[in-house]
Amino acid sequence: NAGVTQTPKFRVLKTGQSMTLLCAQDMNHEYMYWYRQDPGMGLRLIHYSVGEGTTAKGEVPDGYNVSRLKKQNFLLGLESAAPSQTSVYFCASAEVEPVTETTGELFFGEGSRLTVL
Amino acid sequence: GNSVTQMEGPVTLSEEAFLTINCTYTATGYPSLFWYVQYPGEGLQLLLKATKADDKGSNKGFEATYRKETTSFHLEKGSVQVSDSAVYFCALSDLRDDKIIFGKGTRLHILP
Repeated sequence: NAGVTQTPKFRVLKTGQSMTLLCAQDMNHEYMYWYRQDPGMGLRLIHYSVGEGTTAKGEVPDGYNVSRLKKQNFLLGLESAAPSQTSVYFCASAEVEPVTETTGELFFGEGSRLTVL
Repeated sequence: GNSVTQMEGPVTLSEEAFLTINCTYTATGYPSLFWYVQYPGEGLQLLLKATKADDKGSNKGFEATYRKETTSFHLEKGSVQVSDSAVYFCALSDLRDDKIIFGKGTRLHILP
């Protein structure tokens, strides 16, 4: 039972390089999210998607782009990495609770640790 | 807008002590409330949840009651174990928003 899978798990970049983080979920969830986690800052939402072909900005979207071409995949791109983007990135997916019509339980990946030198 | 405030850590307790981690929220609607736990080196996982006022969520000896009158969802456990050492996040989900709002997390250390 894979759940939410993130690749790669570790990556070191030089300033100005680009890269893509891949998130894949096998639960047929509509909603997917990218967060970053920094010491003392908790979780901050970067971008999210409420369905295939849709994306929306979160709390800290600058310097990142996303795509949701397939329902099961949510890609996070860094076009020109900066040291401030050194962080642990988490992907999550969720479904809408049918009774409350609110976003239900989030299922998280194991995280991707990115270092930008 | 919606927000979640939880007590800052770290919280350090001895094994078998009583635990309370405070969480209060502001929301325009009738949110669902969650506690997530993050063990070292792992992603977050749901610990418990409550979807309406006066509901009590419980799991693994942890409990939290949805108090609409005080806009709170405090996490409690009667006797903590070393294995409970982790970071705990309070969160809410509102009908009017597709996002889940997280508190900043509280790191818990349990000493043997």
